Amino acid sequence: DTGVSQNPRHKITKRGQNVTFRCDPISEHNRLYWYRQTLGQGPEFLTYFQNEAQLEKSRLLSDRFSAERPKGSFSTLEIQRTEQGDSAMYLCASSLAEVPGELFFGEGSRLTVL
Amino acid sequence: RKEVEQDPGPFNVPEGATVAFNCTYSNSASQSFFWYRQDCRKEPKLLMSVYSSGNEDGRFTAQLNRASQYISLLIRDSKLSDSATYLCVVNRAGTALIFGKGTTLSVSS
Repeated sequence: DTGVSQNPRHKITKRGQNVTFRCDPISEHNRLYWYRQTLGQGPEFLTYFQNEAQLEKSRLLSDRFSAERPKGSFSTLEIQRTEQGDSAMYLCASSLAEVPGELFFGEGSRLTVL
Repeated sequence: RKEVEQDPGPFNVPEGATVAFNCTYSNSASQSFFWYRQDCRKEPKLLMSVYSSGNEDGRFTAQLNRASQYISLLIRDSKLSDSATYLCVVNRAGTALIFGKGTTLSVSS
């Protein structure tokens, strides 16, 4: 399967714990995006990378959230000191910089904070 | 005001109906426009880009009015398989795609 892969698919954690999600993009894609989606809402932009450079972060993104893409391939999204409001589906997408409108999404990582 | 606003759903239509979705965007610097489709419990997928002159892909027609900052999607001859959430998406140069809340379409037999 050469699509976008995300792990874990589901994560249940207690409030205050740290969680990390991983995303493996389509191999030739140089852009990688993180979005968050809750029920009844569209995907909300969090951050994106071009190669290893983090080019944009949402102003809404709390300091508890950090993302990396150390070698310009896979990416991790870490949430520290989770809160119940962090419960959501975390979607990763990738694209070619030349075709920024066509995002290929992974199946998402669902986070439940108890 | 949200950057991308869509008609509230859901739209419930019979097979064969024509249905139109509307979307407005607030940032006049927006340059690129798209419609994405998201099936229940699935990831979003690109349906079509929206060009200034309007464009058609089979039963789907997208229109853009830059002066009014308005985007539309028309679906003709609705099929059961068209049931999904349709997401209006805009993009400014050098930024990530911004998604609307989505409009849910349910086509019944």
